[in-house]
Amino acid sequence: ETGVTQTPRHLVMGMTNKKSLKCEQHLGHNAMYWYKQSAKKPLELMFVYNFKEQTENNSVPSRFSPECPNSSHLFLHLHTLQPEDSALYLCASSQNGAGYYTDTQYFGPGTRLTVL
Amino acid sequence: AQSVTQLGSHVSVSEGALVLLRCNYSSSVPPYLFWYVQYPNQGLQLLLKYTSAATLVKGINDFEAEFKKSETSFHLTKPSAHMSDAAEYFCAVSVAGGTSYGKLTFGQGTILTVHP
Repeated sequence: ETGVTQTPRHLVMGMTNKKSLKCEQHLGHNAMYWYKQSAKKPLELMFVYNFKEQTENNSVPSRFSPECPNSSHLFLHLHTLQPEDSALYLCASSQNGAGYYTDTQYFGPGTRLTVL
Repeated sequence: AQSVTQLGSHVSVSEGALVLLRCNYSSSVPPYLFWYVQYPNQGLQLLLKYTSAATLVKGINDFEAEFKKSETSFHLTKPSAHMSDAAEYFCAVSVAGGTSYGKLTFGQGTILTVHP
């Protein structure tokens, strides 16, 4: 595997389910990000992890719970979601740690989430 | 806080024609600007970025963009469109100061259609 991978690619869940999204980066980067991409809205930054420590929570509801066990893996745990949470969830990583404002972010292909 | 406006949510061109995608930014501190492309069912991929060196930036696949401070613009161009350029394009800004230090703020995206 190369770059940034995300699993699953598609997920359908009910409002009472608990599921997790997984992201893995094979680039040796030090920062990882979760974004939400909804139709007709700009990408929304959700969480930032810098050297495994969470440095940003962009007012995300607690039904989204991130976890970063090491610099290569990032999870997004989901529980009791709402239909309006249906979106494409993108993971990204960057080399030098979050806050390096010229760093390129490398994105995974995303998980298409549908909440019924 | 910084912001990005992409003029035109849809742009349609003929194969071989000039591609022009417009991006204007707002920032109280010097900006760093990015163009990303998203092909169907894929994540975002960097096309090019401006990091305060040359104002004319060349990217992949013959795309280029020019930073114009006086116009607060960073428009993306390509001399001759190819069918494979059909995708959604995102302009983004990062800054080296303030509360948004190092964060990417994205525009709403422009869908480029190329017809034969």
